[in-house]
Amino acid sequence: GESVGLHLPTLSVQEGDNSIINCAYSNSASDYFIWYKQESGKGPQFIIDIRSNMDKRQGQRVTVLLNKTVKHLSLQIAATQPGDSAVYFCAENQDEDSNYQLIWGAGTKLIIKP
Amino acid sequence: DAMVIQNPRYQVTQFGKPVTLSCSQTLNHNVMYWYQQKSSQAPKLLFHYYDKDFNNEADTPDNFQSRRPNTSFCFLDIRSPGLGDAAMYLCATSREAGHLYEQYFGPGTRLTVT
Repeated sequence: GESVGLHLPTLSVQEGDNSIINCAYSNSASDYFIWYKQESGKGPQFIIDIRSNMDKRQGQRVTVLLNKTVKHLSLQIAATQPGDSAVYFCAENQDEDSNYQLIWGAGTKLIIKP
Repeated sequence: DAMVIQNPRYQVTQFGKPVTLSCSQTLNHNVMYWYQQKSSQAPKLLFHYYDKDFNNEADTPDNFQSRRPNTSFCFLDIRSPGLGDAAMYLCATSREAGHLYEQYFGPGTRLTVT
């Protein structure tokens, strides 16, 4: 079925290095993608989004890349800091019949090593 | 600061004893959502309100009900909690319906069923 999934459940990164979190999706008609960060004991927090008419979008220390050819989404975090420790979810919002429904990936836990 | 507020943050209830979780928002958003999130999983949408229009997800158990008495408040009622209902319950809002409107999440209420 249609789904959004992540390749790695846990990612360990040295503090100061760049982090790359990956996500695959299966619906080629999907047109909007979002990355959320969820710290322990908190609700998800919007990080960055991208529409399907774009390949790349940059925020503060974060970049999202969208490769529609292989249906792949990635989140890059530059100069990873301890405060980046969290679970990161990609989510896909399919308009059409499900205006409200966010299709969530499984999540990747990012661990920062000192 | 405008935000999504959930009370209480931690709730303990007994098996079969009705429980109500609360959510309020100061964002004046039209849409409010309730999600269930179990450990190490992505949030799962239970239902949402667009203004007073209630929308139930097809696989949401009948045990879960919701009320939205006004724009600012939304309640999640669990009529007869089972052990499997222990989870984090997240409330979210968005300004409008539609797949390009960001969802803002509250901190969640962690429900324990004894």
